[in-house]
Amino acid sequence: GAGVSQTPSNKVTEKGKYVELRCDPISGHTALYWYRQSLGQGPEFLIYFQGTGAADDSGLPNDRFFAVRPEGSVSTLKIQRTERGDSAVYLCASSLVGLAGGPIEQFFGPGTRLTVL
Amino acid sequence: SQQGEEDPQALSIQEGENATMNCSYKTSINNLQWYRQNSGRGLVHLILIRSNEREKHSGRLRVTLDTSKKSSSLLITASRAADTASYFCATGLMDTGRRALTFGSGTRLQVQP
Repeated sequence: GAGVSQTPSNKVTEKGKYVELRCDPISGHTALYWYRQSLGQGPEFLIYFQGTGAADDSGLPNDRFFAVRPEGSVSTLKIQRTERGDSAVYLCASSLVGLAGGPIEQFFGPGTRLTVL
Repeated sequence: SQQGEEDPQALSIQEGENATMNCSYKTSINNLQWYRQNSGRGLVHLILIRSNEREKHSGRLRVTLDTSKKSSSLLITASRAADTASYFCATGLMDTGRRALTFGSGTRLQVQP
């Protein structure tokens, strides 16, 4: 079946602009995650959805970042007043929910490379 | 912030040789996972080891976990050029209400044909 897809694959914007990044998770996966990866680093957690609600948004760096998942499937990460430091690859992942809260692997999309000029 | 640190940061070997990568982490964990990433894009899950397990195998992969030392190792045997990628360890915390993974900074593996 189809994996996690993300659009656009690349986004170039100017400082101060607003951007939206989209994630389509694997069908049936109730858990969805957003990560951000800077060059030469591992992914850093931003936010986790269980269904429609944000169960953990502790990784969002500030209030310019916001994410929604209104119908429990597709999610949009929104960044207001972009800054050059926001440039990174934004990765989305989805997963099933493990039994009794146990560990579960996450399936990652190819990412959106955001460049803020 | 990164939870773990991989060692070495970069590794270059010849095809057929074994590659060993190490990961250290800081807090108590529920599980540890290894992922591979090609071309700086999507990550692919390789293997998951729970905190009550000490060793796990999957094909040419062998993972060990030492919770007393807060460390793990990934061994790739009989490496191939196609194994060239970055490898990351990722930890899941004891608090299962927090399902986010915390990644290390990765090891860049280059397998020379």
